[in-house]
Amino acid sequence: QSALTQPASVSGSPGQSITISCTGTSSDVGGYNYVSWYQQLPGKAPKLMIYGVSYRPSGVSNRFSGSKSGNTASLTISGLQAEDEADYYCNSYTSSYTYVFGTGTKVTVL
Amino acid sequence: QLQLAESGGGVVQPGRSLRLSCAASGFTFSSHPMHWVRQAPGKGLDWVAVASSDGSKADYADSVKGRFAISRDNSKSTLYLQMNGLRADDTAVYYCAREGYVPGITWGFFEYWGQGSLVTVSS
Repeated sequence: QSALTQPASVSGSPGQSITISCTGTSSDVGGYNYVSWYQQLPGKAPKLMIYGVSYRPSGVSNRFSGSKSGNTASLTISGLQAEDEADYYCNSYTSSYTYVFGTGTKVTVL
Repeated sequence: QLQLAESGGGVVQPGRSLRLSCAASGFTFSSHPMHWVRQAPGKGLDWVAVASSDGSKADYADSVKGRFAISRDNSKSTLYLQMNGLRADDTAVYYCAREGYVPGITWGFFEYWGQGSLVTVSS
């Protein structure tokens, strides 16, 4: 199972919006609405940010939103803040009854 | 409060075995599938395995199939990962994670994570 494809890095200025893409196939992202997103700060465990493509856990800022079109899922961070600087990973369930992560995206706040 | 605490990591020679444990507390352990996810130094997240809530079913990443075995003891609220035939590329921080589900809506996401246990495979 190949990793889902994410851009290596995305950057933006405070207050701007950025979008991170996550491209898979019809056997994972495109075939199921079981896409989730995780934020990882340096030296820390990942934190769930979005599940079920677009649901946000309680306690996660509404500046984070998720969507999906075909084989590509997206995470949008609006009103970018310095505290959003981190690595972000997508994940999807697959037709092989397994899960696959994305390659990861480093978000930099300029 | 909810806690997941991994243990059992360390330095092991190639070809040898190691067993990781993940002690859970603060929730009904037997109600949730549980996962292992690993992260090699400086690399991305890599899904390893999942155990169903009752432990009757398990699935694995191709990279560990036949070498690793996930299991759980619901009476002890503990998840295990038996790792055999370890290789240098198994070197990673291993996280246990609780799968989340919303009845009738969705499932299959990693809702809570432990702090991880480092496994280093080296001669």
